[in-house]
Amino acid sequence: GAGVSQSPSNKVTEKGKDVELRCDPISGHTALYWYRQSLGQGLEFLIYFQGNSAPDKSGLPSDRFSAERTGGSVSTLTIQRTQQEDSAVYLCASSLSPGGASYNEQFFGPGTRLTVL
Amino acid sequence: GDSVTQMEGPVTLSEEAFLTINCTYTATGYPSLFWYVQYPGEGLQLLLKATKADDKGSNKGFEATYRKETTSFHLEKGSVQVSDSAVYFCALLYNQGGKLIFGQGTELSVKP
Repeated sequence: GAGVSQSPSNKVTEKGKDVELRCDPISGHTALYWYRQSLGQGLEFLIYFQGNSAPDKSGLPSDRFSAERTGGSVSTLTIQRTQQEDSAVYLCASSLSPGGASYNEQFFGPGTRLTVL
Repeated sequence: GDSVTQMEGPVTLSEEAFLTINCTYTATGYPSLFWYVQYPGEGLQLLLKATKADDKGSNKGFEATYRKETTSFHLEKGSVQVSDSAVYFCALLYNQGGKLIFGQGTELSVKP
C-alpha cells in the first residue's frame, strides 16, 4: 500500500477482554514503532522493531502488553485483560531504517481508537 | 531522562496573524528535533525537522531553528491560514533506536 495501515480503526471492548491491534507498514520499511496517544499522557512510545526483533520495549506499560512482528512486515500489538486506562489511540509508524545519525522519517498510520468499557 | 515541553493550548488566532508555538527540550547528547502536525481526522505528518544546532527547518511557510544554547525549537509562521488549524507536536529523536519523544501537543485554531 501507499502508506501505513492499521486495523481496526475503532475497537470497543469490555474490561478484562483481550484485544489485538494490527499494523501494516510501508513495504520495504525495516523499522516499525508503536505509540499510544491518550488525553492524560500525550504521545508515548511503546515498542520499536528492527526486522522481527524488538531492541527497545521500554515503553510497554505493563506485562499485559506485548507485540510481535512477523516476516519483517506486519506487526500485532496485543493487550491482555484490558483495563479502562488502556483506552487510547494506538499509532503505528514505520521508517526505512532506525533513526540516529542518519534519520529516516517515521510515517504514521491513522491509528486504532481503543475504548475499554 | 530526555523530554520535550511545549506551550499549552489551545491557541486561537485570526487569519493572517503571526504564530509562535514554544518548544524546549532536555536531552543528553545532540538530538534531532521535529515538528509533527495532526490535522482533524488525519494521522500525524512530519512538518519539518532540524538535525543539528543552528539548522533551520522549514515547510509550508512554517519555520523552526534548532537553538542549542537555549535548548529550544520554537515553531513560527508569519501569516496563518484557517487550513493551519491542527494539533502541533514537537519531538526529539532519541538517538538509540529511533524512538521519538513527543511534547504534549498544542492545538491551534485559526478563525477567518
